[in-house]
Amino acid sequence: EVQLVQSGPEVKKPGESLRISCRGSGYTFTNNWITWVRQMPGKGLEWMGWIDPSDSYTNYSPSFHGHVTFSVDKSITTAYLQWSSLKASDTAVYYCARRVETYFDYWGQGTLVTVSS
Amino acid sequence: QSALTQPPSASGSPGHSVTISCTGTSSDVGGYDYVSWFQQHPGKAPKLIIYDVNKRPSGVPDRFSGSKSGNTASLTVSGLQAEDEADYYCSSYAGGNVFGTGTKVTVL
Repeated sequence: EVQLVQSGPEVKKPGESLRISCRGSGYTFTNNWITWVRQMPGKGLEWMGWIDPSDSYTNYSPSFHGHVTFSVDKSITTAYLQWSSLKASDTAVYYCARRVETYFDYWGQGTLVTVSS
Repeated sequence: QSALTQPPSASGSPGHSVTISCTGTSSDVGGYDYVSWFQQHPGKAPKLIIYDVNKRPSGVPDRFSGSKSGNTASLTVSGLQAEDEADYYCSSYAGGNVFGTGTKVTVL
């Protein structure tokens, strides 16, 4: 069974760094890109970008480029989303999803990130 | 890329149908047959219900159907059931990807 399991909720202060994770199982991790999606409180879905776990090729949405970093550790079939300096506006639920050619078929359960002083 | 445009809300009575539109441009919806639709219940992760305009993943009822004409894609939910009450988002490949603004479907 394909599963994407994300790390737990985080509470951080502005300016702090953070890395959240998304562990894939039940399939060959390097065969499918991982995408990241943001959902701010009460708002819609926003595509952040994706990463190819086989070679760490990344494609960031212009809206997020330079503010977040995607990475993977193939040895533990885990993808990461990282911030070096959080802002209050980063407060949101972040989802990872598996990309199959042109669509996203399996999603993680989401990670709530709260940034507040 | 700008978000694809969806109506904020739609509603229908049980057993009836509701259709949601998703309008983009020739650079996304109109340029590729790669439109997906997702259903999201409150507090839950999105669930894929349509991909490549009109294909259903295994396990998705055939009450859900998709189509596209020009720069506008549509999702129709036939035979509305209480559990269909949710937020629905379209999505299109566009070099990268872009989501729609979302539509809240209410079952009256």
